[in-house]
This record gives sequence, structure tokens and C-alpha cells, in this order.
Amino acid sequence: KAGVTQTPRYLIKTRGQQVTLSCSPISGHRSVSWYQQTPGQGLQFLFEYFSETQRNKGNFPGRFSGRQFSNSRSEMNVSTLELGDSALYLCASSLYRGLNEKLFFGSGTQLSVL
Amino acid sequence: GESVGLHLPTLSVQEGDNSIINCAYSNSASDYFIWYKQESGKGPQFIIDIRSNMDKRQGQRVTVLLNKTVKHLSLQIAATQPGDSAVYFCAEKANFGNEKLTFGTGTRLTIIP
Repeated sequence: KAGVTQTPRYLIKTRGQQVTLSCSPISGHRSVSWYQQTPGQGLQFLFEYFSETQRNKGNFPGRFSGRQFSNSRSEMNVSTLELGDSALYLCASSLYRGLNEKLFFGSGTQLSVL
Repeated sequence: GESVGLHLPTLSVQEGDNSIINCAYSNSASDYFIWYKQESGKGPQFIIDIRSNMDKRQGQRVTVLLNKTVKHLSLQIAATQPGDSAVYFCAEKANFGNEKLTFGTGTRLTIIP
């Protein structure tokens, strides 16, 4: 079974631009979460989607948004990019929602904002 | 605010020895804990998990210990191998129906040949 797939793998943008990242969860998984990883802040939760609805949101500005499609694939969008948005963006999927549901991560999209 | 933290940022261990990575958490409502391993250029990889109603769980060469009294979690890796070199994160989830994982800062484990 294929793992979580994230595209693109690397991305370079300039300040003020917007970017869309894509995530395909493990087949059959219905919950998708997004995390931002930086050397300074570590892994920070962005948001979680289940059944095409955002169920949870972290402490990020409204420039960060996401959505989930009927096939569970998810995208996240960052508008008006800032230098501080440079990070590894990780997508994780789980079969369902629940306390003991294991999250499986993709390899991430490395975003560099110049 | 609540956070999950690690005692040591780096750890070097001789190949073949056992290693112990520690993690302290402060959220008393935490009910589920996970250890992840992250190799360079990859996303975090699930290693082992434990619920708060357990104090020990074993996997293949790994053991997780949970001490709820002092809010402490540890990951023991037996007979370390070069492939164990990575950054290890502990993460916790509270039982609020909140799917957010709160991660620790990570410990870089280096296996010395």
C-alpha cells in the first residue's frame, strides 16, 4: 500500500506570492492533518480535515487555509507569502479520527520563500 | 501553555549499546503518546505508541515507558544500529476529541560505529 504522497517535493517562491501544496493520503484513510516544521518552532499543527470538513485548526494566521476533497485528498494554501513561511510542510493521514489513531506522515514539501 | 519537551537535544551512543531518549510532558490531560523517528529528508515515521492506562509497551527492539506520576516518557532502543541515527520526537494527544498532536522539540541520536 502506497504511503502518504506530497507534491511538490520542493518549492521556491518569493514574498507576496501564494502557494498550493497537495497531499494524497494512504488509500482508505479519511483524516488528513497538516503540520509545519521549522528548526526554530519544531512541528506545529496547522489543521485537520475529515469528510471534507475542517475539524481542528492550529494557531496560524488566516493566510493558511486548506481543503479536503471527496476522495480524501487534501490541499493547503498559503497566500501572501512571508519569509517566515519557509518551512517543511508535512501532511499526515489516519484511518479515522480518534484518540488512538496513528498518524502516518509523508516526506513533506520543502517551501523556500525568497 | 502546555507543551511537550525533551531533556537532551543530542545523544551519541556506541553501536550495539542500548539508548534511552527521554521526554517530559506537562499536560495532565494527555492520554495517548507516540514516538516518531525522522531521518534526514523524510517525514516522521511512527515507532511505537502507548496509552495512559499502560506504563510499558514493547516493540521490536524498542520499549516505551510511561510514568504518569512525574509526567515522563522514555524510548529505549536496544542494540542500536547505524540506521537508528535520526531525530526522535515524542508527541502527545489529549482525549478531547482533538486530533492535534503536540510534538516535543526532538532529540538527535547519533550511533557511533
